Amino acid sequence: NAGVTQTPKFQVLKTGQSMTLQCAQDMNHNSMYWYRQDPGMGLRLIYYSASEGTTDKGEVPNGYNVSRLNKREFSLRLESAAPSQTSVYFCASSRWAGNGNTEAFFGQGTRLTVV
Amino acid sequence: KNQVEQSPQSLIILEGKNCTLQCNYTVSPFSNLRWYKQDTGRGPVSLTIMTFSENTKSNGRYTATLDADTKQSSLHITASQLSDSASYICVVSSTKGSSGDKLTFGTGTRLAVRP
Repeated sequence: NAGVTQTPKFQVLKTGQSMTLQCAQDMNHNSMYWYRQDPGMGLRLIYYSASEGTTDKGEVPNGYNVSRLNKREFSLRLESAAPSQTSVYFCASSRWAGNGNTEAFFGQGTRLTVV
Repeated sequence: KNQVEQSPQSLIILEGKNCTLQCNYTVSPFSNLRWYKQDTGRGPVSLTIMTFSENTKSNGRYTATLDADTKQSSLHITASQLSDSASYICVVSSTKGSSGDKLTFGTGTRLAVRP
């Protein structure tokens, strides 16, 4: 059972470089999410995709773009990385059933350092 | 602004002892409350999900309670084991139509179980 798979697990970028974080889920979930986790703070939503073909901004979207490539895949792109984007990034998915009582499954995380 | 506050921030207990973690929230509209366990370097994993009408839910040695009137929840761990050492995160879900889950995360309680 792969669940939610993120790549890469670790990445070091120089300021100004770009990169894409990949996420795929094999649970046929409708909704997918990108979060960042910083020390002393709860996970914060960057972007989400309630269903295939739609994406919406979360709490901290600046500096990021996303693509819901298909139902399985949801990528997060940093066009010009900044040290403030040093963080651990988590992708998650849930089977949105309209009643809110759906469990979210998280990937293992990507630890990104921008120098 | 939706908020989830957890206490204590950290806790050290001896193996075999019980402990209780607290969560207070101000999230509207309320859909459900979840407790997640996050091992170091891993993504969060769901322990329990409780809706408005549920007061208690158990998952093995983990028992969560919810008081929707006072907007408080607790997670009780019985007969702790070394493998319980992790961060425990309280998450409150609010839903808005078909926009998917909106999760507000607490900062977590870091639990260390010592032999």
